[in-house]
Amino acid sequence: KNEVEQSPQNLTAQEGEFITINCSYSVGISALHWLQQHPGGGIVSLFMLSSGKKKHGRLIATINIQEKHSSLHITASHPRDSAVYICAVMDSNYQLIWGAGTKLIIKP
Amino acid sequence: GAVVSQHPSWVICKSGTSVKIECRSLDFQATTMFWYRQFPKQSLMLMATSNEGSKATYEQGVEKDKFLINHASLTLSTLTVTSAHPEDSSFYICSTDRVDTGELFFGEGSRLTVL
Repeated sequence: KNEVEQSPQNLTAQEGEFITINCSYSVGISALHWLQQHPGGGIVSLFMLSSGKKKHGRLIATINIQEKHSSLHITASHPRDSAVYICAVMDSNYQLIWGAGTKLIIKP
Repeated sequence: GAVVSQHPSWVICKSGTSVKIECRSLDFQATTMFWYRQFPKQSLMLMATSNEGSKATYEQGVEKDKFLINHASLTLSTLTVTSAHPEDSSFYICSTDRVDTGELFFGEGSRLTVL
C-alpha cells in the first residue's frame, strides 16, 4: 500500500462543476503539499498545509490531521484547470512522499 | 517571476554526449536541491538530493557516475547526464524548499531527448 493515496486517478468534468480531489496518507507528516503539473511539465505549488484550511481564488485545500486526509476543491471549474494535481507529504525524516497524481480534464 | 530557474528547457543530443542541466535559485538560498526524473505518463521519481558543499545523496538504482550532481553554491545546482543514451530521454526537474517556510519551488523542467 502506498504511503500517499490519491483519488480519483482520473477525473473528467464539465466546465463550472465543483471538483474534489482526495489524498490520504499513512505516515506522520510535518506538512502536506498540493501541486499542479500542466501538460508542458511545469509544476506549481498550490498549497502547503499543516492544519485547517486554505483558500486561494477558486481553490480550497483542507486537511484533517487526525484522519490523515486532505482534499483539494476547485469551484466553478474551467478548462484551464485541466492538469495533473499531485498530493505530496513531507514526513518526519524530511522526505517528500508523492501521491500518484489525479489527472483532471475540464470540458467546455 | 520564477523563483527557481532551470535551463535548458529542452535539449536534443546524440548518444554518447553529456548534457548539463542547471537550476538557479533566484530569490533565496537553496541549501537543498532535489532532482527528479519523469517518464511519460508516470509520476516524478526522486533521483538525488544535493546539499550545498557536500556530496549528493542518490536514490537506489540511480547511477551516481552517470548522473553527476554539483551543488557548489547556495544558488546553483547542476545535473550532468554523462554519456547519454536514448533510455535517458526524460523530463528532468529540480526542486528546492525554503527552510524558513517549507514552501516548495520547482524549476520549469528540462526535456531531454537522446538520439
